[in-house]
Amino acid sequence: AQSVTQLDSQVPVFEEAPVELRCNYSSSVSVYLFWYVQYPNQGLQLLLKYLSGSTLVKGINGFEAEFNKSQTSFHLRKPSVHISDTAEYFCAVRPGGSYIPTFGRGTSLIVHP
Amino acid sequence: DTGVSQDPRHKITKRGQNVTFRCDPISEHNRLYWYRQTLGQGPEFLTYFQNEAQLEKSRLLSDRFSAERPKGSFSTLEIQRTEQGDSAMYLCASSSEGNTEAFFGQGTRLTVV
Repeated sequence: AQSVTQLDSQVPVFEEAPVELRCNYSSSVSVYLFWYVQYPNQGLQLLLKYLSGSTLVKGINGFEAEFNKSQTSFHLRKPSVHISDTAEYFCAVRPGGSYIPTFGRGTSLIVHP
Repeated sequence: DTGVSQDPRHKITKRGQNVTFRCDPISEHNRLYWYRQTLGQGPEFLTYFQNEAQLEKSRLLSDRFSAERPKGSFSTLEIQRTEQGDSAMYLCASSSEGNTEAFFGQGTRLTVV
């Protein structure tokens, strides 16, 4: 079974500082990888996805993530965060032979002024 | 395209009562998913439909839970004899052959008192 580990439950950061949210997954097969964002009492919105090809993917709101196959990681980064980035962020993995994504427990990004 | 729609957004029920939630996926999306999310956790997979066929069910889906998608369009999730442990956000998502990612609704928040 797939598992996704988000190493930090909470990441506090000051506005305009860079941030990295970490994600590791367990899989020996090819996977699709996703980052979603969730604002309070809302559903999940896709930030970006990795399917194949370039290991650096860019998403919405200035976020990017890097796929590292040898380390089975897919860390999310943003060079300069804004107050409005305060939200829950979820990493998800979907094996190539399955249609069902598995989610990590999430990382709460808290941006302070 | 109005996105994935879930109804109701909030439901408060007494322990032991039955509840039913509805999900309307994005038009022509043939795949539909139900997830459950509790406070501080990521979405946990409950069940998956392809068209009207329920192809996968999680062990989390006890006998008190049943999901249907009778015509391959909208879906319902029923919980019988609700328990306090059923209190959670129930998320519906959909996707199509042309998508690798799932598109989420805003969820139904269930509170069992």
